[in-house]
Amino acid sequence: DIQMTQSPSSVSASVGDRVTITCRASQGISSWLAWYQQKPGKAPKLLIYAASSLQSGVPSRFSGSGSGTDFTLTISSLQPEDFATYYCQQANSFPLITFGQGTRLEIK
Amino acid sequence: EVQLVESGGGLVQPGGSLRLSCAASGFTFSSYWMSWVRQAPGKGLEWVANIKQDGSEKYYVDSVKGRFTISRDNAKNSLYLQMNSLRAEDTAVYYCARTGITMVQGVIYGAWFDPWGQGTLVTVSS
Repeated sequence: DIQMTQSPSSVSASVGDRVTITCRASQGISSWLAWYQQKPGKAPKLLIYAASSLQSGVPSRFSGSGSGTDFTLTISSLQPEDFATYYCQQANSFPLITFGQGTRLEIK
Repeated sequence: EVQLVESGGGLVQPGGSLRLSCAASGFTFSSYWMSWVRQAPGKGLEWVANIKQDGSEKYYVDSVKGRFTISRDNAKNSLYLQMNSLRAEDTAVYYCARTGITMVQGVIYGAWFDPWGQGTLVTVSS
């Protein structure tokens, strides 16, 4: 099974900061990675798919990069509504799918 | 508007059964793979099962194989999850999700979930 490891597990930042979250796969997954945002009590929301493709309607301050085993989600200038938990998800081994453990982004 | 609405969650005793439903609207349901994803209280996301457009292929995470069955009724635009022999560790919010895929020369490589339903809580406890 492909394991996904996110770092950090939690991060504190301020409005306007640039934040980067990392996701590492236990084996190469090409560019088959997605990122989700989840707010408390809500369903996850797709942000990025295929490592760097921005989902329609998602603000351009969100970007994704990487391929192989190492990936990043970057928020260029944090907004108050961005404080949430973020998950990466691989589907290189589709139909078997795995998520990272999540990164909690908190207000400093 | 694309919408997914789950129902059927509740409190069930260990060893019991429950059937979840997901009603889809706003898109051509029969054209998409569909999936169930769960989230235990205070924990991360776990993919549970997915099903091909025509229901001919079904896949499960190891922890639910032999206990859960995913199915769909394209005429009713509905997705289902039959859960038997439930355990305490199955306690979670269960989400249904439309599953987008990327195909390269007929082989599926990428997949992602969008949108998700609001979720339905399943609690397994005596």
